[in-house]
Amino acid sequence: DADVTQTPRNRITKTGKRIMLECSQTKGHDRMYWYRQDPGLGLRLIYYSFDVKDINKGEISDGYSVSRQAQAKFSLSLESAIPNQTALYFCATSDPTTDRNEKLFFGSGTQLSVL
Amino acid sequence: QKEVEQNSGPLSVPEGAIASLNCTYSDRGSQSFFWYRQYSGKSPELIMFIYSNGDKEDGRFTAQLNKASQYVSLLIRDSQPSDSATYLCAVRGYSSASKIIFGSGTRLSIRP
Repeated sequence: DADVTQTPRNRITKTGKRIMLECSQTKGHDRMYWYRQDPGLGLRLIYYSFDVKDINKGEISDGYSVSRQAQAKFSLSLESAIPNQTALYFCATSDPTTDRNEKLFFGSGTQLSVL
Repeated sequence: QKEVEQNSGPLSVPEGAIASLNCTYSDRGSQSFFWYRQYSGKSPELIMFIYSNGDKEDGRFTAQLNKASQYVSLLIRDSQPSDSATYLCAVRGYSSASKIIFGSGTRLSIRP
């Protein structure tokens, strides 16, 4: 079983629709992240959370919101989807073992298409 | 200026040669540096981590860090076709409370 699970794996929606992407983890990590990946642009950070009560904006948070429902769950919402939000979305978790080393564990990704 | 910059490639290297991938970063206070490998259609996976100036070796991989020049590189010796992938450089700021920012990735192709 995957340690970091994203649902759905693929989603097609229409402009203006509200959509939620979900991420759950069994690794027991406090830190969770949402990234989006576009061809040629690498991974861009949308939001991150260091614990249930901590939510932080990343590089490109406009048009997105998040909810950290529990240590194991971190959801990403698009309140009114637009075509340029078409991308591959990754959830990741981490648990820094030292002050400097922080390995990210990624889910399998959600491919979102907004028509 | 992007916080983390990489050449997008593609970088084509013959099998058995050394592949050299470079990354520069803008935040001089950055402390932790990572290289992730991503195969097409897959999730990124961590292959190297470095935080001290100099070289760090792990098998065929060597990460090099130069904080004064704000660059980090990845060398892959004896390149294999299975090394063909996109390599993502990632940087974390000055503390454990800092976010992790990725570059745009370099696509590497190893030709037989």
